[in-house]
Amino acid sequence: EDKVVQSPLSLVVHEGDTVTLNCSYEVTNFRSLLWYKQEKKAPTFLFMLTSSGIEKKSGRLSSILDKKELFSILNITATQTGDSAIYLCAVTGNQFYFGTGTSLTVIP
Amino acid sequence: GAGVSQSPRYKVAKRGQDVALRCDPISGHVSLFWYQQALGQGPEFLTYFQNEAQLDKSGLPSDRFFAERPEGSVSTLKIQRTQQEDSAVYLCASSPGGGRTSGLYGYTFGSGTRLTVV
Repeated sequence: EDKVVQSPLSLVVHEGDTVTLNCSYEVTNFRSLLWYKQEKKAPTFLFMLTSSGIEKKSGRLSSILDKKELFSILNITATQTGDSAIYLCAVTGNQFYFGTGTSLTVIP
Repeated sequence: GAGVSQSPRYKVAKRGQDVALRCDPISGHVSLFWYQQALGQGPEFLTYFQNEAQLDKSGLPSDRFFAERPEGSVSTLKIQRTQQEDSAVYLCASSPGGGRTSGLYGYTFGSGTRLTVV
């Protein structure tokens, strides 16, 4: 059965901390892995990863994919309260699968 | 419009009532997707349109759920005889590309409709 598993389910950190969010998957005919940030309702796109070992970076956020071990990590450095959100991992294969998300809370 | 627009933002329905949720995708976007997101869960796929054709409805949980996109733009998700387990946020997303999983880089979500069945 195809699945996407994210960990941890929730995380509380202090401003300035660095966090690492995990996404592992078992998906038939893998094509890409995507990270989204969800505040309120609409997920907003962060990264799309298709190749192993190539880091994508945007400001304090970065992500990398390991297609051999079937996982990806999303790193956020120097966290800010505005980073508080649910971070969703999605994998495309024969279908498009979301994980249940990691809820990140950054406290001042 | 500039983004994907969904209406209503909130809907409270009595159990057994029929509801209709509307999605206005970005103009010209070929692909349109509906997702159901229960509290604390990731979005679950419901159905996919390429223009007016409903190419995949495998995620619709029962025959009470029906979606259409008759002119290849606006889409409506209808839920008949609503039940409490239908309570969720219903997300719509559109993409300029065709194909089941293509165009995901430009995959834009609407803000969703929160349905509460009482």
